[in-house]
Formats: sequence, structure tokens, C-alpha cells
Amino acid sequence: GEEVAQTPKHLVRGEGQKAKLYCAPIKGHSYVFWYQQVLKNEFKFLISFQNENVFDETGMPKERFSAKCLPNSPCSLEIQATKLEDSAVYFCASSQPGTDTQYFGPGTRLTVL
Amino acid sequence: KNQVEQSPQSLIILEGKNCTLQCNYTVSPFSNLRWYKQDTGRGPVSLTIMTFSENTKSNGRYTATLDADTKQSSLHITASQLSDSASYICVVTMGHYGQNFVFGPGTRLSVLP
Repeated sequence: GEEVAQTPKHLVRGEGQKAKLYCAPIKGHSYVFWYQQVLKNEFKFLISFQNENVFDETGMPKERFSAKCLPNSPCSLEIQATKLEDSAVYFCASSQPGTDTQYFGPGTRLTVL
Repeated sequence: KNQVEQSPQSLIILEGKNCTLQCNYTVSPFSNLRWYKQDTGRGPVSLTIMTFSENTKSNGRYTATLDADTKQSSLHITASQLSDSASYICVVTMGHYGQNFVFGPGTRLSVLP
């Protein structure tokens, strides 16, 4: 597709429940990035992929957060045992090899109650 | 520490007026600097990109400047419109591979009629 697609748009979970977010990058883009934005504040980098391989995971919390980008499937970000502080908008972005222009999806708003 | 700072944090101007947003960075090695516009509830969209050798770049009513010596950039908006109300985020790409990004906290601009 010509746009980065993210689903769902909104996700509500009780504390301790699992949350799974999906991202379909623009066709032909080999880099995928996940960011967390809390309360319209600064973007916190979580993880990036080059195709199905982890490129940089320095921002990922070691526990509870995991991500995958498998061939022919949307990328996913999974949070086990969600906490209140996980409430945020999670943005996915993709970029083409040889350029670093990131195209962002509309985000998934996660609310943990 | 690789960091991007922006000022002001928020700004309110009247429609038709001009304004300038500031970005200072301490990112090394520097690859390029990009300004993004983020409308409420949407993902950021790239406005301009400047490499080390570029001093200014325009995109319609948006003009970005870069001083690589002082590590400062500005985004000037001319003849503001209501649709300019958004957050403006300065992002510096670091490193030689072009896929490591440092985000600023953004400036929230409100344009009033």
C-alpha cells in the first residue's frame, strides 16, 4: 500500500492483560520503526527492523515488550502484562533502503485501565 | 549525550502572522535534520530535510534553516493559517547508516482566527 497502516486504532486493556498492535509498512519499504508517544510528548524509540531482522532494539523495555516482522505478515508489537504507564499512542513508521525519510502510520492509542 | 531540544514548548499566534520555531541539537555524527508536522491524532509528516551542507530549504510557506557550526535549526512559517495548528518536531538523523533518529520534544503551535 501507499500508506503505513496500523491496527487497531484504539485498544483498551485492563492492567495485566496482553496487548498486540499491528503495522503494515508501505510496500517496498524494508525498514520498520516502532515509537511510543505518551501524552503528545516526545517520541520514544522502541525498536526498528530491516526486513524481518531486528536493526536496533535499544529502546525496547527488556521485559514485557516484544516485536516481530515476519515475511508476508504485518509487523507486530506485543506487550505482555500491560501496566498503566504503557498507556500511550504507538506509532509505526517505515522507510525505503537508501533513504531515511520515515513515513508514519496514524498510530494505535493504547489505554490501560 | 545525543539530544535535540526545541523552543518554545508552545506558541499561540494569530492567523496571518509569521512565526519561527527553534531547534538545537547535540547529535554526533550528524547526517541530516528534518522538520515534521504532527496534526492532532495523526502521525508526523515530513516538511523539510537538510544535510550538513545545506543552509536553507523551503516548502511552500515553511522555510527551514540550518547552521551546522552552532548546531541550530529554525523553522519559519509565513502567513500562518488555521491549518498550521499542530506540533512541529525536529528530528536529527545520526550515524552513517541513516536509520538512527533523535527526536525533539516538539513545539505545539496554535493559530487563532
